[in-house]
Amino acid sequence: GAVVSQHPSWVICKSGTSVKIECRSLDFQATTMFWYRQFPKQSLMLMATSNEGSKATYEQGVEKDKFLINHASLTLSTLTVTSAHPEDSSFYICSAIRDRGLAEAFFGQGTRLTVV
Amino acid sequence: RKEVEQDPGPFNVPEGATVAFNCTYSNSASQSFFWYRQDCRKEPKLLMSVYSSGNEDGRFTAQLNRASQYISLLIRDSKLSDSATYLCVVNPRGTSGTYKYIFGTGTRLKVLA
Repeated sequence: GAVVSQHPSWVICKSGTSVKIECRSLDFQATTMFWYRQFPKQSLMLMATSNEGSKATYEQGVEKDKFLINHASLTLSTLTVTSAHPEDSSFYICSAIRDRGLAEAFFGQGTRLTVV
Repeated sequence: RKEVEQDPGPFNVPEGATVAFNCTYSNSASQSFFWYRQDCRKEPKLLMSVYSSGNEDGRFTAQLNRASQYISLLIRDSKLSDSATYLCVVNPRGTSGTYKYIFGTGTRLKVLA
């Protein structure tokens, strides 16, 4: 089946630093990828939709200058958390859909970010 | 009103019980629907898609009611391994034809021995 790989699976960083998370579709081309954030005991909240070759579409309330998304190829999208603060500590998950239509979304393994 | 709503639970049921979850959605133009399962501190995994005519996969049955804008998941003969959070996912399909998947808050299920 389709596989989405996310890296790193966990990261600890100091306040003020930036962290880059990669999301790769391994055996299919993904024109669209999604980035979610999940706080403990809460649901996944869609942060942005990443489209290959164009700017990401951010959900209301998500700062695009803080969460930089780059979807430079059909198999790679990156999320960079800039100037991270402790409140950015969360579980970040990417997903990709293989085809337009009624396709299911495949998820990366998630990245647990802890900002200290 | 949230786009996708679920009862967060938890639902605590004994092994062998039948349990059902509902999920309501607000966008009547929504195109596709899924149930995902998420184990603690893991990524969600697709459990099943939900088709208009309803569909069954082993002990799991999913149904869609477009008129009332809800989907349901029925689990028969619950196993301990069914303990997880069940996420309802709706693709509301934007006016520009874009796709995004909106998750419900999830319903926690705990199957007790």
